[in-house]
Amino acid sequence: KAGVTQTPRYLIKTRGQQVTLSCSPISGHRSVSWYQQTPGQGLQFLFEYFSETQRNKGNFPGRFSGRQFSNSRSEMNVSTLELGDSALYLCASSFKDSHVNTQYFGPGTRLTVL
Amino acid sequence: GESVGLHLPTLSVQEGDNSIINCAYSNSASDYFIWYKQESGKGPQFIIDIRSNMDKRQGQRVTVLLNKTVKHLSLQIAATQPGDSAVYFCAGNNAGNMLTFGGGTRLMVKP
Repeated sequence: KAGVTQTPRYLIKTRGQQVTLSCSPISGHRSVSWYQQTPGQGLQFLFEYFSETQRNKGNFPGRFSGRQFSNSRSEMNVSTLELGDSALYLCASSFKDSHVNTQYFGPGTRLTVL
Repeated sequence: GESVGLHLPTLSVQEGDNSIINCAYSNSASDYFIWYKQESGKGPQFIIDIRSNMDKRQGQRVTVLLNKTVKHLSLQIAATQPGDSAVYFCAGNNAGNMLTFGGGTRLMVKP
């Protein structure tokens, strides 16, 4: 079974631009979560989608948004990019909506904001 | 805010020795814990998980211990190999699919 895939793998943007990242979960998985990883803050939860609905949201500004499609694929968008948004953005998928289930991560999208 | 694990220390071990990686968590409501391994340039890879109604769980060459009294997790790796070199994260979950991660521990295996 194919793992979680994320596109693009690398992205360079300038301040003020916006960016859209894509995540395809493992086949059959309906939950998709997004995390931001930086050297300073570590891994931080952004938001989670299940059956096209955002169920949980982390402590990030409204510039960070996402959505999920009927095929469970998800996108996240960051508007008005800031230098501090440079990070590895990770997507994770899981099968159930229970919190007692394993999340499997993709390779991430490395975003650099200049 | 809530956190799981507070440090990014480095653990250096000799190939063939056992490794023990520790993690402290602060959210008493967390009832499901996972250990992930992250190699350079890759996403976190699932290693082993444990529910709060358990004290110990064993996998292939790995064992996770949970001490709820002191809110402490540990990951034991037997016969550590060079391929085990990576950053290891513990994570806790108490609601939804919202993992709270520790800061991570870098494991370096000396040949």
